[in-house]
Amino acid sequence: GENVEQHPSTLSVQEGDSAVIKCTYSDSASNYFPWYKQELGKRPQLIIDIRSNVGEKKDQRIAVTLNKTAKHFSLHITETQPEDSAVYFCAAASGGSNYKLTFGKGTLLTVNP
Amino acid sequence: ETGVTQTPRHLVMGMTNKKSLKCEQHLGHNAMYWYKQSAKKPLELMFVYNFKEQTENNSVPSRFSPECPNSSHLFLHLHTLQPEDSALYLCASSHRAGSGETQYFGPGTRLLVL
Repeated sequence: GENVEQHPSTLSVQEGDSAVIKCTYSDSASNYFPWYKQELGKRPQLIIDIRSNVGEKKDQRIAVTLNKTAKHFSLHITETQPEDSAVYFCAAASGGSNYKLTFGKGTLLTVNP
Repeated sequence: ETGVTQTPRHLVMGMTNKKSLKCEQHLGHNAMYWYKQSAKKPLELMFVYNFKEQTENNSVPSRFSPECPNSSHLFLHLHTLQPEDSALYLCASSHRAGSGETQYFGPGTRLLVL
């Protein structure tokens, strides 16, 4: 089955700096890669996703890049703010009858004011 | 925030108890999911229902029994649980079960098994 590795497990940055979280996946059939943000005590919420036919996607301060050949994808947050502090999860999914979303272990991002 | 609701939000039970977790979605979705979230572990998919049919059972022990009476409701029946089953149980829904479908999560039920 799919295996998703996520690094780093914790990341601390100063407000205004950029943050990068990286994930690798094992199943070359995976074609959908969402990123979820989970604030303390709250539910995971989708912040951005990318499909396998696209190499990069951007939404304001958040961007995701995908390298299908290397089977890795990354989340980039620019101009970080304290409210960006949360746990971020990457995930990989493949379609078909065995659809399954496999998550990484998460990255605790702390943005220091 | 109210699209997917879960009750109860917190539950403490003994190993011999029987309890049920409830999930309800108001988004008109056709797929619902149960996940387990433990400390320092990835979100683990437990069950998937697509149009009320169970399409995935991710090697979950039989002490967890799901039920999906309709596309809007999902239950997780619990019996003879173990302390290691203590975790946050998250329900999610999506338009259908398929790659590329955004999953919307509920707030979770924090379960403690004594």
